[in-house]
Amino acid sequence: ETGVTQTPRHLVMGMTNKKSLKCEQHLGHNAMYWYKQSAKKPLELMFVYNFKEQTENNSVPSRFSPECPNSSHLFLHLHTLQPEDSALYLCASSQDGGTEAFFGQGTRLTVV
Amino acid sequence: GESVGLHLPTLSVQEGDNSIINCAYSNSASDYFIWYKQESGKGPQFIIDIRSNMDKRQGQRVTVLLNKTVKHLSLQIAATQPGDSAVYFCAENLHNTDKLIFGTGTRLQVFP
Repeated sequence: ETGVTQTPRHLVMGMTNKKSLKCEQHLGHNAMYWYKQSAKKPLELMFVYNFKEQTENNSVPSRFSPECPNSSHLFLHLHTLQPEDSALYLCASSQDGGTEAFFGQGTRLTVV
Repeated sequence: GESVGLHLPTLSVQEGDNSIINCAYSNSASDYFIWYKQESGKGPQFIIDIRSNMDKRQGQRVTVLLNKTVKHLSLQIAATQPGDSAVYFCAENLHNTDKLIFGTGTRLQVFP
């Protein structure tokens, strides 16, 4: 148990569906991250939030929409995804941006 | 994790031997580095970190060496055990950013 919880653990969605991934951290950290892990790229940074403000967007397509309502919660809203978006989506948190990050177990997403 | 499908560099060692995993980082402006271990089905787990004002840092059975001249990082694991089998990633934090950028990873296989 790392203190970072992701739900759901597995998700299968069609290309026209809308779904959301949820991440919650119980560590009192200020920064939260979304990473994509696929067969093509091991760990690809998507977004960073620090004190609820987005500080990094790594040229992620707009079909991925992050939301950070407070420092403990992070969402990734998904719509009109493509099969190549199938991957393991990992959430992490750290005390400050760019420092030791603690990861959740990920959501394995399959787009059909 | 999703690294299973990748053609990752693989290091095979016998139980009890020492392991050395190498990483070349890309940005000379990076000033903080972390080694992570990822076991199958889990998120990356912190092992050890080092700041750029240091050349070496030791933990329990692990040592990280940093050579800023050639932008090289290594992880040494003493008396490698079967439980050390995993994919190992180095990560770098770009100075004055919240970005934590991961390398491609190395698979460590430990044989009895």
